[in-house]
Amino acid sequence: EAGVVQSPRYKIIEKKQPVAFWCNPISGHNTLYWYRQNLGQGPELLIRYENEEAVDDSQLPKDRFSAERLKGVDSTLKIQPAELGDSAVYLCASSLELAVEQYFGPGTRLTVT
Amino acid sequence: DQQVKQNSPSLSVQEGRISILNCDYTNSMFDYFLWYKKYPAEGPTFLISISSIKDKNEDGRFTVFLNKSAKHLSLHIVPSQPGDSAVYFCAASDGNYQLIWGAGTKLIIKP
Repeated sequence: EAGVVQSPRYKIIEKKQPVAFWCNPISGHNTLYWYRQNLGQGPELLIRYENEEAVDDSQLPKDRFSAERLKGVDSTLKIQPAELGDSAVYLCASSLELAVEQYFGPGTRLTVT
Repeated sequence: DQQVKQNSPSLSVQEGRISILNCDYTNSMFDYFLWYKKYPAEGPTFLISISSIKDKNEDGRFTVFLNKSAKHLSLHIVPSQPGDSAVYFCAASDGNYQLIWGAGTKLIIKP
């Protein structure tokens, strides 16, 4: 069974530029999460989807971050414009509905210069 | 306010010995706890979990102990192997499917 797929794995951009990350969850997993992880810290939830509905986006900085999961499968997270402080690893995870265990992709390491 | 704390940033253990990773929490509403392992340049991998109605869960070389009165859990790895060298994260859930994470402990297994 394929795991969570994320692309790109690495991205370097200049500040004020836009960037997008893509995630394809494990087949059959209705719940999808986007996290941000800074060095030396645990992941911080940005947004959680149940199918195509964003059920928890309270931690998403909505002035510059947006996300979509149009068909309830794969998802895109966008930052526009990027700031230096956005440099981090962006992780996507998925889980079965009502399950606590989450399964993570390899992440996208974003560097903003 | 950190609700989940892993107070040891790193731990070094001899191969074959027991590794004990600790985690403390403050929120008494947490009812499910998980341990994840993370290798460099990879996402966290689910390792083992425990419900608050239990005080121990075992899976092969990995055992998690939960002490609710002390709001403390620990992960025991016996025997430790070189492939266990990784960062270990403790996470907790209050039933709302959001995981609250600790900062991680880097485990180094010495040959």
